[in-house]
Amino acid sequence: NAGVTQTPKFQVLKTGQSMTLQCAQDMNHNSMYWYRQDPGMGLRLIYYSASEGTTDKGEVPNGYNVSRLNKREFSLRLESAAPSQTSVYFCASSEEDRTYTFGSGTRLTVV
Amino acid sequence: GENVEQHPSTLSVQEGDSAVIKCTYSDSASNYFPWYKQELGKRPQLIIDIRSNVGEKKDQRIAVTLNKTAKHFSLHITETQPEDSAVYFCAASITGGGNKLTFGTGTQLKVEL
Repeated sequence: NAGVTQTPKFQVLKTGQSMTLQCAQDMNHNSMYWYRQDPGMGLRLIYYSASEGTTDKGEVPNGYNVSRLNKREFSLRLESAAPSQTSVYFCASSEEDRTYTFGSGTRLTVV
Repeated sequence: GENVEQHPSTLSVQEGDSAVIKCTYSDSASNYFPWYKQELGKRPQLIIDIRSNVGEKKDQRIAVTLNKTAKHFSLHITETQPEDSAVYFCAASITGGGNKLTFGTGTQLKVEL
């Protein structure tokens, strides 16, 4: 099993450009999440999907949109990237017992 | 919403010593408390977790304690080794509501030879 797969691993964007971060899991988990990680601030929840067909805002949703395409896939979109969105982005999925499995991360730089 | 505070932000110990990292949480409804280890450039990995029906859990050199009355929980690492050097995150969650985890800000642990 691959677990949670994120693409791309690295990306550099210019201010105002758009992009989609892809995430897929093969563990048949119902819940999926997008977090961003910034130095000294831990992991902060951007959006989550408790089950296929539902999405909800987390702690820092501004500037992002998400799509739960099916049970396996949960994408994160930046419509107009800003330097403040420079961060490392982690996708995760979880069992009902709340054990999380994280993807390997996407390091995004907005210049 | 839930707020998790974690201390210290950095911790340096000598190899073989013990290390303790402490977290407090705000929502008394929280009932699941995992700890994650993140090595440089890697993804967070679950190392131990505790649920609110127990007060302590051990796994070899790692233990977690939970005090629900005081709303705090701690990670204890004994006989530290250089490979324990990493960033450690605590987190808290309530049942339902998407099982969201709220993370602390992390502790950089350095084990010196």
